[in-house]
Amino acid sequence: GENVEQHPSTLSVQEGDSAVIKCTYSDSASNYFPWYKQELGKGPQLIIDIRSNVGEKKDQRIAVTLNKTAKHFSLHITETQPEDSAVYFCAAPFNQAGTALIFGKGTTLSVSS
Amino acid sequence: DVKVTQSSRYLVKRTGEKVFLECVQDMDHENMFWYRQDPGLGLRLIYFSYDVKMKEKGDIPEGYSVSREKKERFSLILESASTNQTSMYLCASSLRDRGDPYEQYFGPGTRLTVT
Repeated sequence: GENVEQHPSTLSVQEGDSAVIKCTYSDSASNYFPWYKQELGKGPQLIIDIRSNVGEKKDQRIAVTLNKTAKHFSLHITETQPEDSAVYFCAAPFNQAGTALIFGKGTTLSVSS
Repeated sequence: DVKVTQSSRYLVKRTGEKVFLECVQDMDHENMFWYRQDPGLGLRLIYFSYDVKMKEKGDIPEGYSVSREKKERFSLILESASTNQTSMYLCASSLRDRGDPYEQYFGPGTRLTVT
């Protein structure tokens, strides 16, 4: 089955800096890669996703890049703000139908002002 | 607004008890999921369901069972709770359309402590 590795496990940046979180996956047939953000005391929430027919997707200060050859994808946050502090999870399809997801172990991002 | 609710935020049970965790969603989603979240291990999929009375094993189904009798409700059952099942349990739901993956909406979680 699919396996997702996520790095780093913790990341500390100064406000205004950029942050990058990287994930690798094992199943070359996987075609959907979402990123979820979990704030303290809440459930995770989708912030951006990418499908395998594109290499990059942007939404304001966040972007995701996908390298299918190398089987890795990354989350980029620019101009970080204190409210970006949270746990971020990458994911890939758990099954061929894509019904379920398998998540990485998470990255705790701390943005200090 | 999609809403996923879980029956309890905090639950304390004794070893050997049968435990029911309930999840309800109000957006007519076909898919529902149960995860457990532990520090350093991320979110691990226990079971999921793509229709009433249908269930599929996730990554870590051992020690758990599920029930989906109505579309909006998905229950996680610990037949005989053990201390290693102490964890945060998260429920989620999503649409299903020709198998394409859709956004999962999560509940706030139930922190279960087994003593």
